[in-house]
Amino acid sequence: GQNIDQPTEMTATEGAIVQINCTYQTSGFNGLFWYQQHAGEAPTFLSYNVLDGLEEKGRFSSFLSRSKGYSYLLLKELQMKDSASYLCAVRDPGTYKYIFGTGTRLKVLA
Amino acid sequence: DAGITQSPRYKITETGRQVTLMCHQTWSHSYMFWYRQDLGHGLRLIYYSAAADITDKGEVPDGYVVSRSKTENFPLTLESATRSQTSVYFCASSESGGAYEQYFGPGTRLTVT
Repeated sequence: GQNIDQPTEMTATEGAIVQINCTYQTSGFNGLFWYQQHAGEAPTFLSYNVLDGLEEKGRFSSFLSRSKGYSYLLLKELQMKDSASYLCAVRDPGTYKYIFGTGTRLKVLA
Repeated sequence: DAGITQSPRYKITETGRQVTLMCHQTWSHSYMFWYRQDLGHGLRLIYYSAAADITDKGEVPDGYVVSRSKTENFPLTLESATRSQTSVYFCASSESGGAYEQYFGPGTRLTVT
């Protein structure tokens, strides 16, 4: 089976850097996604990792270690608008079933 | 308008009633998905479809029925609604499976009384 773990909640200060971790246990691996979801809204895509290493996209970066079943999302120069939930997801190998973590709610304080 | 839309956005129904949630996308994406989102559970896949007339079960399919006669539409039916189906339902589409991101609709908040 598949299992994804993320911290439930994190708090950080405007302008700071925050790292949101995601660990997964899967029978195989076909890539890991990060989504952002503001309260009351739909999730929106942030990043996709299938190979080990860091993918940078502006203020957001995502890292993957397949051997450790570990990923993190790094948010730099935090802004108030970054207050949201961040969802980690993996695809079940051999199918197109996506498994989402319960999400990490990030609060950015002034 | 281009994109992915859901209707209705809000729905209150009674236990035992049949309810259909609609999802429409204008990108001609092959893959479409239905999720429910509940506190403490995150997003859980109900059903997905790889193309017209091809559907498959997700993690929590019991009590739901889907169809996909046209590429752009993917309705979700609750045949006999129960209180445990009170949730926010999101439809999503993807150009292909695998490496492609999913685009989510705005969601339908369903309350079963």
